[in-house]
Amino acid sequence: AQKITQTQPGMFVQEKEAVTLDCTYDTSDQSYGLFWYKQPSSGEMIFLIYQGSYDEQNATEGRYSLNFQKARKSANLVISASQLGDSAMYFCAMREPASGGTSYGKLTFGQGTILTVHP
Amino acid sequence: GAGVSQSPSNKVTEKGKDVELRCDPISGHTALYWYRQSLGQGLEFLIYFQGNSAPDKSGLPSDRFSAERTGGSVSTLTIQRTQQEDSAVYLCASSLAVRDHIYFGPGTRLLVL
Repeated sequence: AQKITQTQPGMFVQEKEAVTLDCTYDTSDQSYGLFWYKQPSSGEMIFLIYQGSYDEQNATEGRYSLNFQKARKSANLVISASQLGDSAMYFCAMREPASGGTSYGKLTFGQGTILTVHP
Repeated sequence: GAGVSQSPSNKVTEKGKDVELRCDPISGHTALYWYRQSLGQGLEFLIYFQGNSAPDKSGLPSDRFSAERTGGSVSTLTIQRTQQEDSAVYLCASSLAVRDHIYFGPGTRLLVL
């Protein structure tokens, strides 16, 4: 089973509009972390936002917010007031405890969503 | 401060040759990751080092792939007898333990002819 599922291969949004990128995850652990990264055409991976499984508030970072619904195991990224520079690939990722539970293990990524912002 | 650095930035090699890719993590970061990204694809986990613990090698695709981390800092990913399907961008990342963010390097673009 996929650990991280991003069901939208591509999304389009008009400049200045808001857009939601979907992400669902699968884990049996109670403690985990969820990340979103942006990868523009240059290839660099840019960290956007982080949500811990025990965080009671939804994470926000500027125009980015994470709609965390723990019971549904979803962690959707909301980008408000889209800009042309937001056009990129967006990856959702999850970090679970390593075996033994003494530290955190690897980051598992979804397949990504290509966002295109139209002027 | 300096971010994660990787070298070389690009590598072209012939099928059957061995290659070494280097990663310098952010100073003080105890966790180091290697990922592979093929064109237009997601990130495939390869190997993870955490402090002095045994590395998680569960993502290495074959025994041609190996990695080491010397002195808890610099890491080298070695691919022996390269194949054309090894062509990809190899990304290194590092973080402090537990809840810290994970920072990626710029990647090494490997092309096997």
